[in-house]
Amino acid sequence: EAQLVESGGGLVKPGGSLRLSCAASGFTFSKAWMNWVRQVPGKGLEWVGLIKRITDGGTTHYPAPMKGRFTISRDDSKNTLYLQMNSLKTEDTAIYYCATGDSGSYSWWGQGTLVTVSS
Amino acid sequence: EIVLTQSPGTLSLSPGERATLSCRASQSLIGNYLAWYQQKPGQAPRLLIYGASSRATGIPDRFSGSGSGTDFTLTISRLEPEDFAMYYCQQYSTSPPMYSFGQGTKLEIK
Repeated sequence: EAQLVESGGGLVKPGGSLRLSCAASGFTFSKAWMNWVRQVPGKGLEWVGLIKRITDGGTTHYPAPMKGRFTISRDDSKNTLYLQMNSLKTEDTAIYYCATGDSGSYSWWGQGTLVTVSS
Repeated sequence: EIVLTQSPGTLSLSPGERATLSCRASQSLIGNYLAWYQQKPGQAPRLLIYGASSRATGIPDRFSGSGSGTDFTLTISRLEPEDFAMYYCQQYSTSPPMYSFGQGTKLEIK
């Protein structure tokens, strides 16, 4: 069974940086398009971005609010997905999930890691 | 960017009743890439429906999805106590790849 485990969350000051990781197992990671989704506690879900598999170019795609500050990468040799977040703002405080699936939907989600941006 | 609008914001029903949740897209969804998720407090979302009408693995058949174009519906035929939760719709568009979620419908016990 597929498993996704996020790590790297914590408390960071405004303007700071943080790198999240997502360790994958139970499926062929190198064949998957991988995504990050976030959720402000008590609020809705927001897509953060995706990285295609290497055979599809390994390209990344982000919604407009995430472009320029967030960078998604992957290491297929380690079955790990990353999210580098720079110039963090208080409004980036959220639970960050990695997720994957097919047919344009997310069959598998991690448990999430909480990022708190506060002085 | 495609915006999804869910209605109602909150739905109050009793166990055994039928629930109908709506999701409207700001433009037509090519390929009907529309999914529904259930989320309970403290948990990650769980995929219920993909491709507008296909049930995900292990999802009970009381959950069904329908619709096309801009209007989509999630129906729960007979509510069980465990069905009271938040529900989100989500769309995927292909060129370029983009995802977005609706704001959610809270299904609460009346």
